[in-house]
Amino acid sequence: AQSVTQLDSHVSVSEGTPVLLRCNYSSSYSPSLFWYVQHPNKGLQLLLKYTSAATLVKGINGFEAEFKKSETSFHLTKPSAHMSDAAEYFCVFDRGSTLGRLYFGRGTQLTVWP
Amino acid sequence: DAGVTQSPTHLIKTRGQQVTLRCSPKSGHDTVSWYQQALGQGPQFIFQYYEEEERQRGNFPDRFSGHQFPNYSSELNVNALLLGDSALYLCASSLVSRERGTGELFFGEGSRLTVL
Repeated sequence: AQSVTQLDSHVSVSEGTPVLLRCNYSSSYSPSLFWYVQHPNKGLQLLLKYTSAATLVKGINGFEAEFKKSETSFHLTKPSAHMSDAAEYFCVFDRGSTLGRLYFGRGTQLTVWP
Repeated sequence: DAGVTQSPTHLIKTRGQQVTLRCSPKSGHDTVSWYQQALGQGPQFIFQYYEEEERQRGNFPDRFSGHQFPNYSSELNVNALLLGDSALYLCASSLVSRERGTGELFFGEGSRLTVL
């Protein structure tokens, strides 16, 4: 069965240090993969998406993710964390049906310390 | 340009009652999907409406039903509420095209339902 697994439920970093949020996927084919962010009392916002055009995907707010088929991973990174990055992050996949349906991981709560 | 709007933002119900949640999609979008996000979990797909018909459905009981209106807005109805239905209900809209299938989903801020 296709799925995504977020390896950390909580990640804490200091402001200005790198961010790494880990996600592994399980799929018999190359899925469409996404990262979404959810700030408190806000809707989900798309950070970036992978759809097989390029393995390194750049998103908004300085985030990027690399699709590694050999490792079945799609980790989210940012070189330097900012206080405003504190939020819940979801790794998401889409089986690619014509009418999209998203499958969310359980989420990683990112805390950024001053 | 208004994004996806949902109402009400918060509501409290008791077990056995019924609830209706409403969603207006982003301007120009024709597809509405509903997701349930329980506390500490990722959102789970409930169902999706396109051209006023339910096109896909997740693993939710028949107590969950919906509707899409000609103006593309949508309602989610939940009957015979259970304590476990307490969650944030998210609406997402998108635009379907033959070339790209479903475009990017835009999410509303959700309706938080508490069942006592």
